[in-house]
Amino acid sequence: KTQVEQSPQSLVVRQGENCVLQCNYSVTPDNHLRWFKQDTGKGLVSLTVLVHENDKTSNGRYSATLDKDAKHSTLHITATLLDDTATYICVVGDRGSALGRLHFGAGTQLIVIP
Amino acid sequence: EAAVTQSPRNKVTVTGGNVTLSCRQTNSHNYMYWYRQDTGHGLRLIHYSYGAGNLQIGDVPDGYKATRTTQEDFFLLLELASPSQTSLYFCASRDNSGNTLYFGEGSRLIVV
Repeated sequence: KTQVEQSPQSLVVRQGENCVLQCNYSVTPDNHLRWFKQDTGKGLVSLTVLVHENDKTSNGRYSATLDKDAKHSTLHITATLLDDTATYICVVGDRGSALGRLHFGAGTQLIVIP
Repeated sequence: EAAVTQSPRNKVTVTGGNVTLSCRQTNSHNYMYWYRQDTGHGLRLIHYSYGAGNLQIGDVPDGYKATRTTQEDFFLLLELASPSQTSLYFCASRDNSGNTLYFGEGSRLIVV
């Protein structure tokens, strides 16, 4: 059973527009949540990590929120650039596992057009 | 500079062939992971390790062996490769707190 669900599956926006990506999860007990950016055929690059209830983080044009009660996170990208075209992956760490299991969403494919 | 280096980056082999994917991290991390990534799936955990000589079975271990020879080096072995193992493989390392997690650039394997 998939424990991390991302939406939308894909998204097309015009350069300069803002967008919001969603992540819902059922991992219990949950530890931290990370957002990664993956360019096609490349490795995953960490954008941000959220740890605490109601955490909010900001990394340049990327900002993220975490609601642990609702098991929900959002990633906001402001003023999108063509280079933002990538797959964005939500990853939840499993606090119940002493060996630090990670649970991955299937990703949201973002396409930024001129 | 923190790094996870995978090799080879690309590999083509025949069904039944023997393949070793290598991963080296210079982050002094205890945890290392091997994942495969296929279209329509999130990354799926094959094997992982929390130190030299340790090996833990992941979610999709069938057809794969792994060995952690040192803190730095983690190998994934396919002794009888099958077309279903055609995939993009990622290695990752993580510190004990979970605050830092790094991925390699991936190894694309094609089994024909």
